Amino acid sequence: DVVVTQSPLSLPVTLGQPASISCRSSHSPLYSDGNTYLHWFQQRPGQSPRRLLYKVSNRDSGVPDRFSGSGSGTDFTLEISRVEAEDVAIYYCMQGTHWPYTFGQGTKLEI
Amino acid sequence: QIQLVQSGAEVRSPGASVKVACKASGYIFTSYGISWVRQAPGQGLELMGWISASDGNTNYAQKFQGRVTMTTDTSTSTAYMEVRSLRADDTAVYYCARAAYNYAGTCDLWGQGTLVTVSS
Repeated sequence: DVVVTQSPLSLPVTLGQPASISCRSSHSPLYSDGNTYLHWFQQRPGQSPRRLLYKVSNRDSGVPDRFSGSGSGTDFTLEISRVEAEDVAIYYCMQGTHWPYTFGQGTKLEI
Repeated sequence: QIQLVQSGAEVRSPGASVKVACKASGYIFTSYGISWVRQAPGQGLELMGWISASDGNTNYAQKFQGRVTMTTDTSTSTAYMEVRSLRADDTAVYYCARAAYNYAGTCDLWGQGTLVTVSS
C-alpha cells in the first residue's frame, strides 16, 4: 500500500498565527487523467471527519479561506493563515489515486 | 437536509458478525457511492472499501477482502457493511462517507460513526 507520512504529528500553535502541515506520499497521487487526488480532512474532538480540501487545493463549501493547500509530485502542504480556536482538530491527508486509498497518521493541532 | 445517519453501537463476541447501516437522505442515493472508513480507538483513519449505489459495484481493500461485504438497498437509500469473523482488533468506530458513483475517495459527507466493540 502507498504510505502517506505527515509531519509534524503534533503542532502547538498560537491563536492568530499561521500553521503548516506537511504530507508526503510514497507514490505520486497524480492520476492519468491529469488530476492529483490528494485530499485533506479535519476531525474535531469527538466529531466525524470532514473534508476540507480536495485535489490538493480546492476548498469545500463552507471552509474558511484561511485554509489553503498546495504541492505536487509527492509533497503537499496544508496551511492555515491565522489559526482560530475552532481549528483545534486532527488533520489527515489522503491519497486517492492508488488503491487502497490511504491516509496519513494525522496531525494534531493544539493551541 | 443532506445527511448520512448510521445505526447504533454494537457489542459482539470474537468470531461473530456485525452489520452496520448507513441511511442517506437529502440527495439522490443512486447517483453516488458509499465508502466505509474505520478508526480504531485513538488511531487514524483506514479506508475499507466502497460500493456504488448506482450499480452495486464494489471494491474492497485487500486486507478486508473475504471478510467484509458491502451492500445497498436503493428502496430505502441505505448502505450496509457486514464484517464477519470479528476479532478484538476490529474494535473501532466505523464511518460511512458519501463517495462518487465511480470513485471511492470523494468522502464529502460523513455519517456520525458506529462504535463496534469486540470483546469476550
